[in-house]
Amino acid sequence: QKEVEQNSGPLSVPEGAIASLNCTYSDRGSQSFFWYRQYSGKSPELIMSIYSNGDKEDGRFTAQLNKASQYVSLLIRDSQPSDSATYLCAVNRDRGSTLGRLYFGRGTQLTVWP
Amino acid sequence: GAVVSQHPSRVICKSGTSVKIECRSLDFQATTMFWYRQFPKKSLMLMATSNEGSKATYEQGVEKDKFLINHASLTLSTLTVTSAHPEDSSFYICSARGLRSSQGYNEQFFGPGTRLTVL
Repeated sequence: QKEVEQNSGPLSVPEGAIASLNCTYSDRGSQSFFWYRQYSGKSPELIMSIYSNGDKEDGRFTAQLNKASQYVSLLIRDSQPSDSATYLCAVNRDRGSTLGRLYFGRGTQLTVWP
Repeated sequence: GAVVSQHPSRVICKSGTSVKIECRSLDFQATTMFWYRQFPKKSLMLMATSNEGSKATYEQGVEKDKFLINHASLTLSTLTVTSAHPEDSSFYICSARGLRSSQGYNEQFFGPGTRLTVL
């Protein structure tokens, strides 16, 4: 079982719709979770971090975490064509240490069409 | 804040040569930096963790003699690909732990990446 799993997509939504991206992880003790956006040919850009169960909102983005289900998601409201990118889910793999290494999923490719 | 730079952005070299890539945190001190490699359509693969003033910690399967990492200061880490071969051609990306790492947050901020092509 892979440590972090994402549906590779592609996920295609119309402009203005809500895009829902999902991620599951295998290590039940994981403590911190991140969503990164990566445009083609570019490096990842941090969008959201979430550490506690529940929802965390930042502008059009909402991250949701359910540690019991080992599930983290990202909702993008009012999707724009500029949101078209690959979204990477990352999980901190170093419990109890300060290394802070991240496990990355393979990413979900999102396309928002006008 | 939390800006990370990389140099060069792109390099083309002949097989057998060595290539050095620099990673700098511009507006914060990074005690820990990370080096990743990414092949087309694939996710990021962590190569090593670089700690200022100490030896790097390499991930399983990564040759430490081929990928030399030096973290000489709190703002600079370098990756040297020694005796590069075509199979080393990839997108190399560094990241640095952010300002809030001392508070238990483990956000990483990425440099723009270096695309290496070995002929």
